[in-house]
Amino acid sequence: AQSVTQPDIHITVSEGASLELRCNYSYGATPYLFWYVQSPGQGLQLLLKYFSGDTLVQGIKGFEAEFKRSQSSFNLRKPSVHWSDAAEYFCAVGAGYGGATNKLIFGTGTLLAVQP
Amino acid sequence: DGGITQSPKYLFRKEGQNVTLSCEQNLNHDAMYWYRQDPGQGLRLIYYSQIVNDFQKGDIAEGYSVSREKKESFPLTVTSAQKNPTAFYLCASINQRRRDTGELFFGEGSRLTVL
Repeated sequence: AQSVTQPDIHITVSEGASLELRCNYSYGATPYLFWYVQSPGQGLQLLLKYFSGDTLVQGIKGFEAEFKRSQSSFNLRKPSVHWSDAAEYFCAVGAGYGGATNKLIFGTGTLLAVQP
Repeated sequence: DGGITQSPKYLFRKEGQNVTLSCEQNLNHDAMYWYRQDPGQGLRLIYYSQIVNDFQKGDIAEGYSVSREKKESFPLTVTSAQKNPTAFYLCASINQRRRDTGELFFGEGSRLTVL
């Protein structure tokens, strides 16, 4: 069965430091992979997505993620974190027909805190 | 601006009462979804609809019902049969004709508390 694992429930980084949030997936075919961000009490916003092609994808707000098939991973990175990046981050895999997103499976999320 | 509107933002309910959460979108999207979010559990799919007058159960449909009479609207009813309804509910939609985008658009959510 398809699944997504985010092993880090909570991460704290200092402002200006680099960030890497981990995501591992289980999916039989080539996955469609996503990272979403959620501010407190709000909906989710798409940061970036991977469908095919270049395994390093760029997203909004300076985020990037790298798809590594051999490790079944899709880790999210940012070289320098800003205080406004404090939020909850969700990794997701598209598990519908043809990998389409009619059934997105979400990880449990990683809550990011940013220290001044 | 186009988007998804959920209402109410906060709702309190007594045990045994049914409540309906509203979700309206003006994005002209065909597909709409309801997710439930609980701390530490991520988002779980309740119901989804890919076209008017049709909807499918998600992973946790028990105790919930939906309707899709109009393309713009996908209300969710939390019935008294739902054993643990206190949660944050998120509605989302996607342009089904553009599956390659993969972007779900989310509303701001409705927080339901059962007293």
